Amino acid sequence: KQEVTQIPAALSVPEGENLVLNCSFTDSAIYNLQWFRQDPGKGLTSLLLIQSSQREQTSGRLNASLDKSSGRSTLYIAASQPGDSATYLCAVQNAGNNRKLIWGLGTSLAVNP
Amino acid sequence: DGGITQSPKYLFRKEGQNVTLSCEQNLNHDAMYWYRQDPGQGLRLIYYSQIVNDFQKGDIAEGYSVSREKKESFPLTVTSAQKNPTAFYLCASSIVNANYGYTFGSGTRLTVV
Repeated sequence: KQEVTQIPAALSVPEGENLVLNCSFTDSAIYNLQWFRQDPGKGLTSLLLIQSSQREQTSGRLNASLDKSSGRSTLYIAASQPGDSATYLCAVQNAGNNRKLIWGLGTSLAVNP
Repeated sequence: DGGITQSPKYLFRKEGQNVTLSCEQNLNHDAMYWYRQDPGQGLRLIYYSQIVNDFQKGDIAEGYSVSREKKESFPLTVTSAQKNPTAFYLCASSIVNANYGYTFGSGTRLTVV
């Protein structure tokens, strides 16, 4: 059974720092891995999607990597800003007919001015 | 602009009452999903639909019902059989059978009064 874990659960950093959020999964038979951002009381915003055949994706100051063999993904945020403060969620889409999303609990990020 | 619209943003339910949450998308996506989010828990799938007039139970379907009469619409009814309905409800859509991310609505917060 696929399980997704995100570490740390919470992170507080000063503005300008580069940071890494971690996501691990137990079954490497995935279709893709997605990173989302959620602001308090809001819906989810898709940040990056990495297909199972890819190693990384980049969007602006964000870079997500995928290592299927070790069951790990990282989300790298460069030069963090207070506006980056949010909860970041990782979700794995299983391979096969189901292709259900399996979610981590998220990392709550606070970037302090 | 294309997107998903959830309404209402806040909903209050009395004991024994059925309530319906609206979800409309204009993205021409085939698949639509309903998730429930509770503090300290990952997103849990309630129901999903990959085609009009067809839908499948997710992990926590008891006490909920859905319909998919139109491609654009996927309303969720929280029935009186759902004993703990207070939660944040999120609707999402995606393209079926493609490496394509999910698009989420802004959510509905349901509270039992």
